[in-house]
Amino acid sequence: EDQVTQSPEALRLQEGESSSLNCSYTVSGLRGLFWYRQDPGKGPEFLFTLYSAGEEKEKERLKATLTKKESFLHITAPKPEDSATYLCAVQAVSSASKIIFGSGTRLSIRP
Amino acid sequence: EAQVTQNPRYLITVTGKKLTVTCSQNMNHEYMSWYRQDPGLGLRQIYYSMNVEVTDKGDVPEGYKVSRKEKRNFPLILESPSPNQTSLYFCASSYRSHNEQFFGPGTRLTVL
Repeated sequence: EDQVTQSPEALRLQEGESSSLNCSYTVSGLRGLFWYRQDPGKGPEFLFTLYSAGEEKEKERLKATLTKKESFLHITAPKPEDSATYLCAVQAVSSASKIIFGSGTRLSIRP
Repeated sequence: EAQVTQNPRYLITVTGKKLTVTCSQNMNHEYMSWYRQDPGLGLRQIYYSMNVEVTDKGDVPEGYKVSRKEKRNFPLILESPSPNQTSLYFCASSYRSHNEQFFGPGTRLTVL
């Protein structure tokens, strides 16, 4: 069964303290892995898509990487405005066009 | 402005009273999807549609119906709502299934 697990559930950092969020996945053939950001009371907002192991993408203080079993979202020198829930989702080759989300990591950055 | 709209944004109803949540996108996207979001369970896909008249079940389709008669609209129908369908619902669209999804603002549904 296709599965996505995110860790940690919650992470509190001091402003400027870099860290990484993890997304582990079990699928029979990865078609794409997605990262989204969600602010309270709003819909998720797209960040990155990764398609193959070894791929990396960057945007401002965020960098996403992908291996055959997991993806990391690295946050460098975060600011309070980076506080949000970060969601990982996968689409498997085997599951037609279903998309499976992890339960998210709630990130809080203290000034 | 490119967007996904949902209506209503908030709804309180009673068990068994049929309701429809509308979803519309103005980006000419082929793929549309409905999710529910519950604390601790994340986003779970209810139904998705690859194109007009093509729909399929996600992970939690029980108690829901959808239709895709026009490319821009993808309504979610609850024929006989029950309290366990109380949740936050999101509609999303993308050009194709493996592309980035654009999400609507959400509909908070309470079934008493």
